[in-house]
Amino acid sequence: AQTVTQSQPEMSVQEAETVTLSCTYDTSESNYYLFWYKQPPSRQMILVIRQEAYKQQNATENRFSVNFQKAAKSFSLKISDSQLGDTAMYFCAFMKHAGNMLTFGGGTRLMVKP
Amino acid sequence: AAGVIQSPRHLIKEKRETATLKCYPIPRHDTVYWYQQGPGQDPQFLISFYEKMQSDKGSIPDRFSAQQFSDYHSELNMSSLELGDSALYFCASGGKWGTGELFFGEGSRLTVL
Repeated sequence: AQTVTQSQPEMSVQEAETVTLSCTYDTSESNYYLFWYKQPPSRQMILVIRQEAYKQQNATENRFSVNFQKAAKSFSLKISDSQLGDTAMYFCAFMKHAGNMLTFGGGTRLMVKP
Repeated sequence: AAGVIQSPRHLIKEKRETATLKCYPIPRHDTVYWYQQGPGQDPQFLISFYEKMQSDKGSIPDRFSAQQFSDYHSELNMSSLELGDSALYFCASGGKWGTGELFFGEGSRLTVL
């Protein structure tokens, strides 16, 4: 079974600054996907970024980038130039390759302050 | 662009009653997933369907059942409701099996009194 751990229950950052959210996971699988999902107060889960484990290059989506360390089983999310709209709960998630079940971490509540 | 539609958005039921939640996936998506998110908790996988067949089962109670219909919409039926069933129920649809490309609906909030 896979486990996903987010060690930071809450974080805050000033607008326009950079923040990094941590995520570690445990699996015996060699090929899998990792995700960061955002859940704003409206409650809808929105995919932020996706990483395929067999790709060494870190995924990037505009202001969002990841630091994927496969050997260390670490998958952190960096948000650059933080905006007020980034305020949300962020979930790290794992999926086996050719699987269809997401395993979520406990979430990190991010508050962006003006 | 069309998104995942869930109904109802809010539902209030008494203990021991039955509730049915509906999910309409994005057009041409053939997989549907159901997740349950209790207050202050991370989402927990309940069940999934691929091409109208159950594909995976998670921590879904025996009191719950689900199916995917010929038009690919899915329904989650919950019977003998308990207080602990109060949660946000998310449906997600996926376009390509096993790629993690899941698109979530806005959720149905069930409150059991």
